[in-house]
Amino acid sequence: RKEVEQDPGPFNVPEGATVAFNCTYSNSASQSFFWYRQDCRKEPKLLMSVYSSGNEDGRFTAQLNRASQYISLLIRDSKLSDSATYLCVVNPTGSARQLTFGSGTQLTVLP
Amino acid sequence: GAGVSQSPSNKVTEKGKDVELRCDPISGHTALYWYRQSLGQGLEFLIYFQGNSAPDKSGLPSDRFSAERTGGSVSTLTIQRTQQEDSAVYLCASSTQTGAKETQYFGPGTRLLVL
Repeated sequence: RKEVEQDPGPFNVPEGATVAFNCTYSNSASQSFFWYRQDCRKEPKLLMSVYSSGNEDGRFTAQLNRASQYISLLIRDSKLSDSATYLCVVNPTGSARQLTFGSGTQLTVLP
Repeated sequence: GAGVSQSPSNKVTEKGKDVELRCDPISGHTALYWYRQSLGQGLEFLIYFQGNSAPDKSGLPSDRFSAERTGGSVSTLTIQRTQQEDSAVYLCASSTQTGAKETQYFGPGTRLLVL
């Protein structure tokens, strides 16, 4: 089983739609969680951290369910510019120095 | 300010040759990380530096891979006797510290193709 698993998609949605991505992780002791965004042939960039109580940044909402070991990302009122691959990222333990990346979920927002 | 830079941006080499990939982290960032991303795959951790030392080399796939960092700044990833399966994008990232919640900032990557 992969440490971090995501539905690869692709998700093709119309502009203005709401779309949700889920991610599961295997290490129950994981302490830090993030969503990164990667545009085609570009480097990953941090979209948002994921906090235990859930957090929102504009149109983006991230939630963490420790009991079920999954993380979600909700994008409301999607824009064409949201088209990218969304990477679920977990730090397996608090003392680890590396991030564990999921393979990513590809999103295309259609006009 | 300037972000993480990597060179070369693209490298084509023949099987069996050695290659060196360079990373210039953001000024003042003490932690530096190397990752590899194969086509359609997630990022694979290779090695991490805190200052000039590498406490975690667990991700290096074989002894053909090595990395060093000098002056707490520039890092070089060397692949000896390259194989076709080494073809990937090699990404470098840096962060101010090594805490679990520290944001890592990525460079644009070096696309390596081994023929």
